[in-house]
Amino acid sequence: DTGVSQDPRHKITKRGQNVTFRCDPISEHNRLYWYRQTLGQGPEFLTYFQNEAQLEKSRLLSDRFSAERPKGSFSTLEIQRTEQGDSAMYLCASSQEGSRGETQYFGPGTRLLVL
Amino acid sequence: GDSVTQMEGPVTLSEEAFLTINCTYTATGYPSLFWYVQYPGEGLQLLLKATKADDKGSNKGFEATYRKETTSFHLEKGSVQVSDSAVYFCAPHTGNQFYFGTGTSLTVIP
Repeated sequence: DTGVSQDPRHKITKRGQNVTFRCDPISEHNRLYWYRQTLGQGPEFLTYFQNEAQLEKSRLLSDRFSAERPKGSFSTLEIQRTEQGDSAMYLCASSQEGSRGETQYFGPGTRLLVL
Repeated sequence: GDSVTQMEGPVTLSEEAFLTINCTYTATGYPSLFWYVQYPGEGLQLLLKATKADDKGSNKGFEATYRKETTSFHLEKGSVQVSDSAVYFCAPHTGNQFYFGTGTSLTVIP
């Protein structure tokens, strides 16, 4: 078990550019979550997958945001036409579907700065 | 809609002091309740959880009891240590709804 990994760990981009982040979950986990966290706040849910199916999307996930998990393993989160307000830490988590109260395991996050 | 209200910080305590961090939630369903912790320089990790009313979650000396009647899940520890300095997040999760509180920063001084 190598844990959840995210790449890159840091990204600086100019407003209007597109960025893509990758998340590799714990291998046996079938659920994968994306969150956004800004300074002094808790994680805000963006979307989650069960295997390759995207089951829920937050209204925070505007049309500029898209997430995929094509083979039910790793996932990518793309932000198109970035805005300064997109600057945040983007967290990925994974879990194994089971009975109530499944634990989410978080990655280290990708910190995005939009100039 | 669902929401969570968590005691604001920062909280500063002396070593061996008693800790309480309040958390209340609103939920349309029957949530599982979690406390996650983020130590300096590390990622979020589970501290403890409870999945049904009156369950008590516990770990590392921390405890929280699922109080359905008051929709609360307060975190307590009888004697904090310097190593408990971290940010604590209350998190009710119901079906497809995953909420986290704003976090409470705790600093324990020797």
